[in-house]
Amino acid sequence: NAGVMQNPRHLVRRRGQEARLRCSPMKGHSHVYWYRQLPEEGLKFMVYLQKENIIDESGMPKERFSAEFPKEGPSILRIQQVVRGDSAAYFCASSQKDEQYFGPGTRLTVT
Amino acid sequence: GENVEQHPSTLSVQEGDSAVIKCTYSDSASNYFPWYKQELGKGPQLIIDIRSNVGEKKDQRIAVTLNKTAKHFSLHITETQPEDSAVYFCAASTGGGYQKVTFGTGTKLQVIP
Repeated sequence: NAGVMQNPRHLVRRRGQEARLRCSPMKGHSHVYWYRQLPEEGLKFMVYLQKENIIDESGMPKERFSAEFPKEGPSILRIQQVVRGDSAAYFCASSQKDEQYFGPGTRLTVT
Repeated sequence: GENVEQHPSTLSVQEGDSAVIKCTYSDSASNYFPWYKQELGKGPQLIIDIRSNVGEKKDQRIAVTLNKTAKHFSLHITETQPEDSAVYFCAASTGGGYQKVTFGTGTKLQVIP
C-alpha cells in the first residue's frame, strides 16, 4: 500500500508565476489536508477537503490560494502570482479515520 | 479554537538516557493526541497516538501519557539512540469524521553518541 505521494518534491518559481502542488492520498483515504511549514517552524493548517468538497479552508489565505480534490485524480493546491513569502514546505496528509499520514512534501522556492 | 503548547523547544540528551517532551492543550473537547517525528527534509511520521479514554500507551521505547483533567500529555523516549534525533510534534484534535489537528511548535531532539 503506497503512502501519500506528493509532486513535485521541489519547485522553483519566479515572483508572479503560478505554483501547482499535487497530492495523491493513500489508497482508501477520502480526506486530504494541506499544511504549510516555514523553516524551523511547526505545521500550519491550510485546508481540509473530501472528494469534490472543501470542508474547511479557514487556514488558507483568501487571495491567490485555492485547493481542489476532484472525483478523479490528485488533490491540487494552487498558488497564483507567487511572492517570496510563499516560499515554504507544503505537506499534504490523508486519513480515513483519526490518523493522518503525511506525504514527503513539496518545497517551494520563489525567486 | 484549540491551542497546543509544547516544551522544550530543544532537548539534548546522552545516548541511552531518557527524553521527555510535554504538551498542553486548551480545548476540553479534544480527544485524540498524535505524536509525529520529522527528520530533516522529510514529512512528519506518526509514531504513536493516544485517545482520551486511555491514560497511558506504550510501544517499545516510546510511551505517551495523558492527563485530561490538567489538559496535558507527554512523550517519553527511553534508551535513546542517535537515530531518535529529529523534530517531534505533538498535536490535538477532536477526532471523529473531521480531523482538524492543531500542532505544537515542535521539539528538536538531539541524541549525543
